[in-house]
Amino acid sequence: GQNIDQPTEMTATEGAIVQINCTYQTSGFNGLFWYQQHAGEAPTFLSYNVLDGLEEKGRFSSFLSRSKGYSYLLLKELQMKDSASYLCAVAHLYNQGGKLIFGQGTELSVKP
Amino acid sequence: KAGVTQTPRYLIKTRGQQVTLSCSPISGHRSVSWYQQTPGQGLQFLFEYFSETQRNKGNFPGRFSGRQFSNSRSEMNVSTLELGDSALYLCASSLGGNGSPLHFGNGTRLTVT
Repeated sequence: GQNIDQPTEMTATEGAIVQINCTYQTSGFNGLFWYQQHAGEAPTFLSYNVLDGLEEKGRFSSFLSRSKGYSYLLLKELQMKDSASYLCAVAHLYNQGGKLIFGQGTELSVKP
Repeated sequence: KAGVTQTPRYLIKTRGQQVTLSCSPISGHRSVSWYQQTPGQGLQFLFEYFSETQRNKGNFPGRFSGRQFSNSRSEMNVSTLELGDSALYLCASSLGGNGSPLHFGNGTRLTVT
């Protein structure tokens, strides 16, 4: 089976840095995605990691450690518009394409 | 490039009825996946279609079914609706390979009374 854990809620201050963690247990792993979902809107793709290490994309970075079953999403220079739910999702080794197992999401609130 | 389009946006049905939801993927995307999102369970995978064939299936009862047409448009059907089927149904399209990001539509909000 597969199990994905991420914190339910986090609060941070505008301009600060926040790290959202995600741990997973899976019988077969084929990559990890991060999505952002604003209230009432569709999830949007942020990043994909399949190899160990850090991937940087502007203010957002994502890290993966396959041996530890661990990933994090790092958001720098936080802005009010970053208030959203952040979803971690795992792709299974034997499922191509569209089947992802999502975590429950981390609700991030950015305060002024 | 037009995004993923889902219709209708909102739907209210009565227990026992059936419903059909529609999804038009991004042009060139051959994979269409369907997800159910609820506050308690989060995003749960229903099924994926690729080139008109169901490629992956989640753990939902047989009342949930889908299909994909030759133009990659997809429909999802839920028969004998139950109160617990009330949810946001999201469709996502992708190129279909490993690591291909999913592009989600805005969803259909289904309420069963």
